[in-house]
Amino acid sequence: GNSVTQMEGPVTLSEEAFLTINCTYTATGYPSLFWYVQYPGEGLQLLLKATKADDKGSNKGFEATYRKETTSFHLEKGSVQVSDSAVYFCALRGSSASKIIFGSGTRLSIRP
Amino acid sequence: NAGVTQTPKFQVLKTGQSMTLQCAQDMNHNSMYWYRQDPGMGLRLIYYSASEGTTDKGEVPNGYNVSRLNKREFSLRLESAAPSQTSVYFCASSEHAGPSGTDTQYFGPGTRLTVL
Repeated sequence: GNSVTQMEGPVTLSEEAFLTINCTYTATGYPSLFWYVQYPGEGLQLLLKATKADDKGSNKGFEATYRKETTSFHLEKGSVQVSDSAVYFCALRGSSASKIIFGSGTRLSIRP
Repeated sequence: NAGVTQTPKFQVLKTGQSMTLQCAQDMNHNSMYWYRQDPGMGLRLIYYSASEGTTDKGEVPNGYNVSRLNKREFSLRLESAAPSQTSVYFCASSEHAGPSGTDTQYFGPGTRLTVL
């Protein structure tokens, strides 16, 4: 079945550092891929998405590229801020499915 | 435009008690979902409703029931709560389910449930 694996946290970085959170997936066909973010005390919000191979999703300085050859959708940001501290979830929806499958989440903490 | 709202925000139950978690959305979405979030396990789908009048089991439906009361409201009921149901519960909605639909899900703020 479909599944998502993302790097375990917590990840702690200093402000202005470069961020990468790894995500790989297993799916048949051509899934859509997502990154969701959960700020403390809130529900999840869509951060970015990509619906086909080689697409790049981007939002708020974050980027992720849909790599079918490596079945990956790594999240990157060039210079993180304290306000980026949150839990980040990689997710996919299969090409014939109505449900989204979430990874286990990666907690990110940014030091001033 | 409130988006997705959930009540209550917090609840403590004793083993065997029952309760209903309420969810409503004002975005005229067709599809609604209930998830639970446990440490280290991400979100797991309990039940979903692809459209008004339909409900389907997700990954972890045991011990839960749902009702799609109308297009706006989707409730989750625990008939006899167990400590294993201690979790944070999130409701979500999307315009459509299925491969041809817009699949961004919008989440409510969550209900933190503790079962003693």
